[in-house]
Amino acid sequence: DTEVTQTPKHLVMGMTNKKSLKCEQHMGHRAMYWYKQKAKKPPELMFVYSYEKLSINESVPSRFSPECPNSSLLNLHLHALQPEDSALYLCASSQGRGMDTEAFFGQGTRLTVV
Amino acid sequence: AQSVSQHNHHVILSEAASLELGCNYSYGGTVNLFWYVQYPGQHLQLLLKYFSGDPLVKGIKGFEAEFIKSKFSFNLRKPSVQWSDTAEYFCAVRTGFQKLVFGTGTRLLVSP
Repeated sequence: DTEVTQTPKHLVMGMTNKKSLKCEQHMGHRAMYWYKQKAKKPPELMFVYSYEKLSINESVPSRFSPECPNSSLLNLHLHALQPEDSALYLCASSQGRGMDTEAFFGQGTRLTVV
Repeated sequence: AQSVSQHNHHVILSEAASLELGCNYSYGGTVNLFWYVQYPGQHLQLLLKYFSGDPLVKGIKGFEAEFIKSKFSFNLRKPSVQWSDTAEYFCAVRTGFQKLVFGTGTRLLVSP
């Protein structure tokens, strides 16, 4: 199983809503990532979790709140988003801390903020 | 901070033409190098990777890439493209701490 599963695939939310994006992998990977991809742009790193601890936060606004409940799951909690936060949110995972590992990406959640 | 440059933003080729996409990165230390492909409506897929050893790496679907350390480059090549290669191609570089940084992408259109 080399899949990273993201739910939901599509999400429309209002600026006052609270929603969560979910990501799951069963490859035994201990590093998990959130990326944001705007249309016609490359993925931009948001957060990295390593062994269930937040190791990188790329100065992401606090309206995005990541959570890693266990080694297989990664959530992204959304609150009070802006229309410019509309994008494809990608989850990825890779093996532990070392180099020489590849990242596997999910299909993404396409988020629209209205 | 590391950065990745892809100089070709849009490439249009006819089927059977040869392809070379450029990728340069700026980082002086040890790097892992990747090419990912994103077909329309699909998720990012790994085409090939370089960790160490032979600088010429072969990937899936007939793609290959050459790591030239002195030029900080990792160019992607394919001798003969097909219509099904129409996609967006991203070069990516990882240094330490799992920080994987993507280039701006190259949109390839192959006409039949």
